[in-house]
Amino acid sequence: GAGVSQTPSNKVTEKGKYVELRCDPISGHTALYWYRQSLGQGPEFLIYFQGTGAADDSGLPNDRFFAVRPEGSVSTLKIQRTERGDSAVYLCASSLGGGGDTQYFGPGTRLTVL
Amino acid sequence: GNSVTQMEGPVTLSEEAFLTINCTYTATGYPSLFWYVQYPGEGLQLLLKATKADDKGSNKGFEATYRKETTSFHLEKGSVQVSDSAVYFCALSPSNTGKLIFGQGTTLQVKP
Repeated sequence: GAGVSQTPSNKVTEKGKYVELRCDPISGHTALYWYRQSLGQGPEFLIYFQGTGAADDSGLPNDRFFAVRPEGSVSTLKIQRTERGDSAVYLCASSLGGGGDTQYFGPGTRLTVL
Repeated sequence: GNSVTQMEGPVTLSEEAFLTINCTYTATGYPSLFWYVQYPGEGLQLLLKATKADDKGSNKGFEATYRKETTSFHLEKGSVQVSDSAVYFCALSPSNTGKLIFGQGTTLQVKP
């Protein structure tokens, strides 16, 4: 079946611009996660949705980052006033339920801020 | 707080050699422990997991045992293949939460 998909696969933007990154989870998965992976590092947790609501947003680095999941399926990560330090691969994962259920990762969106 | 520390790479081995990648963790409560793998050009995928102390996770010849007394979850394989070349990430999920906390990753290169 279809896995987690993310669009775009690559995004290049200029400092100060606004970007949106999209995640399509596996159908029927109620939990959705966003992570950020910098070069040579492990993924860093950003936010976790259970259904439509953010169950844990403790990893969002500041108020320039925001994520939504209005219908409990597709999610969008929004970054305002991008900075060069935001350059990274943004990963999305979904799981059937929350807790310790296996998370299935998408291929990621590589964001480059010039 | 919660954190994961992995041995630094890269690890370079010959085919059929024995593999150990060390992983230790710090956590409150009773976390679940995971090994994820990222093959070249592919996304992260779960390799194995263990949800409580003394559990052994295993898959594709890899195994790891959840050791609460030493707060470790070392990954082992008896005989590596060239196709095992990848980046391996140790991770934990704190009790009753969904998020994963990853180590920095260890690159494994297996030479024929």
